[in-house]
Amino acid sequence: EAQVTQNPRYLITVTGKKLTVTCSQNMNHEYMSWYRQDPGLGLRQIYYSMNVEVTDKGDVPEGYKVSRKEKRNFPLILESPSPNQTSLYFCASSRGRVGYEQYFGPGTRLTVT
Amino acid sequence: RKEVEQDPGPFNVPEGATVAFNCTYSNSASQSFFWYRQDCRKEPKLLMSVYSSGNEDGRFTAQLNRASQYISLLIRDSKLSDSATYLCVVLDDYKLSFGAGTTVTVRA
Repeated sequence: EAQVTQNPRYLITVTGKKLTVTCSQNMNHEYMSWYRQDPGLGLRQIYYSMNVEVTDKGDVPEGYKVSRKEKRNFPLILESPSPNQTSLYFCASSRGRVGYEQYFGPGTRLTVT
Repeated sequence: RKEVEQDPGPFNVPEGATVAFNCTYSNSASQSFFWYRQDCRKEPKLLMSVYSSGNEDGRFTAQLNRASQYISLLIRDSKLSDSATYLCVVLDDYKLSFGAGTTVTVRA
């Protein structure tokens, strides 16, 4: 089954404790991205990757890191989480960036206390 | 000004009704437009693309008005299963911008 998976689905952590949210897709998509979704705001892009070893900042990259060592995986790293990073996070992949359907993972609900 | 703006709703409609809502965008050079559906904080899924001439997919009709910079979505013969948040998505300069969504609730 074609899908994007994320882990963990739910996470409660404390300020400053490093964490990683994994994202994996099995569709051989070149383009992957991370979004956060907050009430009253649209999805905002954090980082994206056009291909292996190619990553770039989205609209809200502060406080986040990513890596793309393999085509299928695109982990999101929070080196020192803060309460304002409490949010619902989605990973997405697509065949290409321009105009192609975005396939989203199931989401990770993160709470930082 | 937000790049993509939507009326958050909620639009509460009875089964069988027609409901329509718009989305405005700020960049007149925007290239492509889409509607995504999101169920109760689950992942968004593509509902349909929006073509310049307007297009239908079953009970759903999408239209684009470039002069006034808005797109619309109309749902005919609403079903309970249409209850969801509908996200307007605009592509410009290789960047996707998402609206905050319009919530539709269909009641029996």
